[in-house]
Amino acid sequence: ETGVTQTPRHLVMGMTNKKSLKCEQHLGHNAMYWYKQSAKKPLELMFVYSLEERVENNSVPSRFSPECPNSSHLFLHLHTLQPEDSALYLCASSQAVGYPTSQYFGPGTRLTVT
Amino acid sequence: GIQVEQSPPDLILQEGANSTLRCNFSDSVNNLQWFHQNPWGQLINLFYIPSGTKQNGRLSATTVATERYSLLYISSSQTTDSGVYFCAVGRYGGATNKLIFGTGTLLAVQP
Repeated sequence: ETGVTQTPRHLVMGMTNKKSLKCEQHLGHNAMYWYKQSAKKPLELMFVYSLEERVENNSVPSRFSPECPNSSHLFLHLHTLQPEDSALYLCASSQAVGYPTSQYFGPGTRLTVT
Repeated sequence: GIQVEQSPPDLILQEGANSTLRCNFSDSVNNLQWFHQNPWGQLINLFYIPSGTKQNGRLSATTVATERYSLLYISSSQTTDSGVYFCAVGRYGGATNKLIFGTGTLLAVQP
């Protein structure tokens, strides 16, 4: 596997379910990001992890819970979601420390909450 | 926070035509990227260009940081160029390298 991978690619869940999204980067980066892309809206940054430590939480509801067990893996745990949480969830990675540089994105997980 | 505006919001081209997409931003930045989002949602890196000019095949980009804008040029467009083009900017600080995205330009290239 190369680049940034995300699983699953598609997910349908009920409002009472608990599920997790997984992201893995194979680029040797040490920062990882979760973005949300809703229809007709720009990408919204949700969380930032740098060196496995959460450094940003953009007022995201607690029903979204991120986890970064190591610099290559990032999870987004979902529970008690609402229909308006249906969106494309994108993971990205970059070299965070020392200088601004490119972010590389995974293919996304398209989430539908019923 | 930094505001990012892209124009035009929508663009329809005939195959073979050229186009220019614009990105304006409201504050100084030291990170600027152009992405192409394909119909399946994948964001593909086109350019990392906080300043200057770069070219990659039929695509080129120019950022004039002092005037707070960037341009993406697409020449001899092909149907595979269709999709949404995003500009994203950032101002590096601390331990993060976060990007702020514009609303995108939706490009449709017709055969």
